[in-house]
Amino acid sequence: DTEVTQTPKHLVMGMTNKKSLKCEQHMGHRAMYWYKQKAKKPPELMFVYSYEKLSINESVPSRFSPECPNSSLLNLHLHALQPEDSALYLCASSFQGGETGGTSRVQFFGPGTRLTVL
Amino acid sequence: GQQVMQIPQYQHVQEGEDFTTYCNSSTTLSNIQWYKQRPGGHPVFLIQLVKSGEVKKQKRLTFQFGEAKKNSSLHITATQTTDVGTYFCAGRYSGGSNYKLTFGKGTLLTVNP
Repeated sequence: DTEVTQTPKHLVMGMTNKKSLKCEQHMGHRAMYWYKQKAKKPPELMFVYSYEKLSINESVPSRFSPECPNSSLLNLHLHALQPEDSALYLCASSFQGGETGGTSRVQFFGPGTRLTVL
Repeated sequence: GQQVMQIPQYQHVQEGEDFTTYCNSSTTLSNIQWYKQRPGGHPVFLIQLVKSGEVKKQKRLTFQFGEAKKNSSLHITATQTTDVGTYFCAGRYSGGSNYKLTFGKGTLLTVNP
C-alpha cells in the first residue's frame, strides 16, 4: 500500500460543531503531518508527529487538536472553528531515516479534506 | 525568516512550448523537493535534489539544483495539456528541523491545446 488516505473528502460544519478528520497510511512511515492549504497558496504546516509523539506545533490555535493513536493513524479534532478556517486540510507522511540524502524525508500527501465552516 | 522565492507565479503556454519555474533561497538549502498539484488535487512528489549542481531528468522534465545549493529550477520541454497544475518547490534548511519544508508560493501552469 503506497498511499495516504483521508476521510472525509468534504466536510461542512457550523462554528459550534465538533468534528474530526482522519488520516491513515500503511507505508511504515513514522512521521505524520497536518497541513492547511488555502486556495492558490502553498501548504502551511500545522503539526508534525514523530514516532507517535508531537514534534512540531506551528503555533496553531487550540481549536485544532491533533492526535496520533498509533503509527498508522493521525486525527485532527476540530472544535469551535471560524469561517476563516475553511481550507483544504492535507495529511502527509514520511519515513524516519538516518541520512538526509535519500528519500527518507520525502513527504507523501493524502488527497485532503475540503473543510467549509459556516 | 527563511524563505524560498518562486517565479513566475503564473505561466500560460501553448501546447508544445517549453516552461520553466525557478526557486531561490537567500541561504543554503540541505535539499529541495518538487511537487505538482493538479487543479482540485493534492501535492504529488516529483523529485528530490540533494547534491550541489545536481541535474535529474524525468522524461520531459529536467530538474536542476544550483552549485551553491540556493536555487533550483524545473524545466518542461514541449508541454502537454496533462502538465497543467501548480508546481511547488520545497526546501529543507541545514540545521533546521528534519521535518520542516519551506514551500515556494508555486507556479500555476496552464496549457492552451
